[in-house]
Amino acid sequence: DADVTQTPRNRITKTGKRIMLECSQTKGHDRMYWYRQDPGLGLRLIYYSFDVKDINKGEISDGYSVSRQAQAKFSLSLESAIPNQTALYFCATSDPRQGGNQPQHFGDGTRLSIL
Amino acid sequence: DQQVKQNSPSLSVQEGRISILNCDYTNSMFDYFLWYKKYPAEGPTFLISISSIKDKNEDGRFTVFLNKSAKHLSLHIVPSQPGDSAVYFCAASNEINNDMRFGAGTRLTVKP
Repeated sequence: DADVTQTPRNRITKTGKRIMLECSQTKGHDRMYWYRQDPGLGLRLIYYSFDVKDINKGEISDGYSVSRQAQAKFSLSLESAIPNQTALYFCATSDPRQGGNQPQHFGDGTRLSIL
Repeated sequence: DQQVKQNSPSLSVQEGRISILNCDYTNSMFDYFLWYKKYPAEGPTFLISISSIKDKNEDGRFTVFLNKSAKHLSLHIVPSQPGDSAVYFCAASNEINNDMRFGAGTRLTVKP
């Protein structure tokens, strides 16, 4: 079983719809992240959370919101989807208890297409 | 602004030869650098990292070199194997603000 699970894996929807992407993890990590990947731009950070009561904006948070329902769950919402939010979305986790900088562990991604 | 740049979108090498992937960064506050490998339909997986206090880190066939004065790092894979064919992302972060930035990726193809 995957340590970081994203649902759905693929979603096609229409402009103006509300979309929620979900992420759950079994790694027991406190820190969780949402990124989007666009061709030629790599991964860009949308939001991150260091624990259940902590939410922080990333590089490109406009048009998105998040909810950290529990240590293991971090969901990303698009309140009113627009076509330029079509992208591959990744959730990631990391464990600060190992000290200092630590690599992040990624889910397999959600491919979102907005028509 | 793209603070981490991978200027080569693709690289092709012969099996058994060395693969060298390059990455440049602009933010001198970055103190931790990583390489991730990504196969199609999967998320990026951590490959190797280096702290800014070092200039080299080795892990088996993979070696990362850091040149802080040039703000440049590279990943060497030797010998390259067909299973190494993937997209490689360079990333950099700062421990204080946990802001990790990624390059656009380099697609490596290792030909048998």
